[in-house]
Amino acid sequence: GENVEQHPSTLSVQEGDSAVIKCTYSDSASNYFPWYKQELGKRPQLIIDIRSNVGEKKDQRIAVTLNKTAKHFSLHITETQPEDSAVYFCAASKMDFGNEKLTFGTGTRLTIIP
Amino acid sequence: EAGVTQSPTHLIKTRGQQATLRCSPISGHTSVYWYQQALGLGLQFLLWYDEGEERNRGNFPPRFSGRQFPNYSSELNVNALELEDSALYLCASSLVGRSFFGQGTRLTVV
Repeated sequence: GENVEQHPSTLSVQEGDSAVIKCTYSDSASNYFPWYKQELGKRPQLIIDIRSNVGEKKDQRIAVTLNKTAKHFSLHITETQPEDSAVYFCAASKMDFGNEKLTFGTGTRLTIIP
Repeated sequence: EAGVTQSPTHLIKTRGQQATLRCSPISGHTSVYWYQQALGLGLQFLLWYDEGEERNRGNFPPRFSGRQFPNYSSELNVNALELEDSALYLCASSLVGRSFFGQGTRLTVV
């Protein structure tokens, strides 16, 4: 089955700087890669996702890049703010014609230092 | 439009008892997924239901089971509770793609 590795497990960044979280996946058939943000005591929230037919996707300060050859994808957060502090999870799945379960990475605890 | 809702929010059970957790998906979503999140750890896939059928299950013992009803809501049952079953149980629903999570049920086994 699919295996997703996520690095780093913790990341501290000065407010205003950029943060990068990286994930690798094992199943070359995976074609859908979402990122979730989980604040303390709250549910994971989908913040951005990318499908394998594109290499990059941006949404304001958040971007995701995908390298299918190397089987890795990354989350980039620019101009970080205190409210970006949370645990971030990457995930991978095969989305063909229906739904499919997600395999999650182990999470990155991001701390923004004011 | 209502999001994914789970009940109860908190549940305290004694070792050996049974727990039943409930999930209502977003209207129109046919798939429901259950995940276990132990304290400080990641999301471990438990079960996936779609159109009333169990499609896949994670690496959990058979005492973790569930079902999906005709209205696509779902129930997770955990039998013979053990202390290590204490965790946040998250339900997610999806319709051809994006998954959205409920707020979770915090199960404490004492």
